[in-house]
Amino acid sequence: EAQVTQNPRYLITVTGKKLTVTCSQNMNHEYMSWYRQDPGLGLRQIYYSMNVEVTDKGDVPEGYKVSRKEKRNFPLILESPSPNQTSLYFCASSYASGSNEQFFGPGTRLTVL
Amino acid sequence: KNEVEQSPQNLTAQEGEFITINCSYSVGISALHWLQQHPGGGIVSLFMLSSGKKKHGRLIATINIQEKHSSLHITASHPRDSAVYICAVDLDSNYQLIWGAGTKLIIKP
Repeated sequence: EAQVTQNPRYLITVTGKKLTVTCSQNMNHEYMSWYRQDPGLGLRQIYYSMNVEVTDKGDVPEGYKVSRKEKRNFPLILESPSPNQTSLYFCASSYASGSNEQFFGPGTRLTVL
Repeated sequence: KNEVEQSPQNLTAQEGEFITINCSYSVGISALHWLQQHPGGGIVSLFMLSSGKKKHGRLIATINIQEKHSSLHITASHPRDSAVYICAVDLDSNYQLIWGAGTKLIIKP
């Protein structure tokens, strides 16, 4: 089954404790991205990747890192999480850029205390 | 000013009503997406279109490139259509999508 998976689905952590949210797709997609969704603000892009070893900042990259060592995986790293990073996070992928159907992961609800 | 504007922000209707959600954008685009986010949070792609009209079941999406406007219609609406509907545009020569704020639709039985 074609899908984007994210783990964990829910996470409660404390300020400053490094964490990684994994994202994996099985569709051989080149384009992957991370979004955060906050009430009243809609989806905001954090980082995106056009292909392996190619990543770029989105609209709200501060406090986040990503890597794209393999085509299928695109982990999101919070080196030192802060409470303002409490949010719902989505990973998405598509064949190439935005002119292709977008496939979303189920979301990760992160709470930073 | 947001580059992608959706209207209305909130819409409540009775089961069976014909629903229209609008999306306007201010720049040249190569494609426009309509997506649905259910109360549980999951986001699914409904349509991607660059011209004309697409239909899938009771959902119809249209786009007018000259007027920079798209509409999503739901015929014979049902409570299970209750969700947030999101419009996003792919700008010409850009690798990012620009997102609308979403329209929250509630269909009452």
